[in-house]
Amino acid sequence: GDSVTQMEGPVTLSEEAFLTINCTYTATGYPSLFWYVQYPGEGLQLLLKATKADDKGSNKGFEATYRKETTSFHLEKGSVQVSDSAVYFCALKSASAAGNNRKLIWGLGTSLAVNP
Amino acid sequence: GAVVSQHPSWVICKSGTSVKIECRSLDFQATTMFWYRQFPKQSLMLMATSNEGSKATYEQGVEKDKFLINHASLTLSTLTVTSAHPEDSSFYICSAPQRGGSDTQYFGPGTRLTVL
Repeated sequence: GDSVTQMEGPVTLSEEAFLTINCTYTATGYPSLFWYVQYPGEGLQLLLKATKADDKGSNKGFEATYRKETTSFHLEKGSVQVSDSAVYFCALKSASAAGNNRKLIWGLGTSLAVNP
Repeated sequence: GAVVSQHPSWVICKSGTSVKIECRSLDFQATTMFWYRQFPKQSLMLMATSNEGSKATYEQGVEKDKFLINHASLTLSTLTVTSAHPEDSSFYICSAPQRGGSDTQYFGPGTRLTVL
């Protein structure tokens, strides 16, 4: 079945460092891919998404490119801030899911701590 | 953006009692809602898909008699943990997909359940 593999954390960086959080997936067809973020004490929020190959999702300085050839959707940010400290989840929605069956397949999450 | 609320945000109960958690879509209608359980430092585990006007669809290994789901209206789904035990202590999260074929899901802020 479909699955998502996400790099394990925790990741600790200094402010202004470059961030990469790896995410690879296994799925049939062309799933939609997502990054969600969970800030301390808050609910999950959609950070960015991509729905087809070579699409680049971007938001708040974060980017991820849908790579079909490597089945990857790595999250990157050129210069992290303390406020980016959170848990990041990679997820996919199966291409075969239709109608109301829109459940997401989740990675395990990567905790990011950014120090000043 | 769309908002999903959960109530209560946290609850402490005695072993053997039942606890009801509400999930509401505040500014949109949701024929489907998802219930997740999140363990500390782990990913989200999909428990069930709540369907308005019909029975919920439970994931493998989730006891439907233990976790009762009722999708009473297009804006409300409830999860009742029956005869709660300490091992049911967890963070419960609901989500609702955006209508109109979008891939986006909106998440509630979660409910922390502690069973003594």
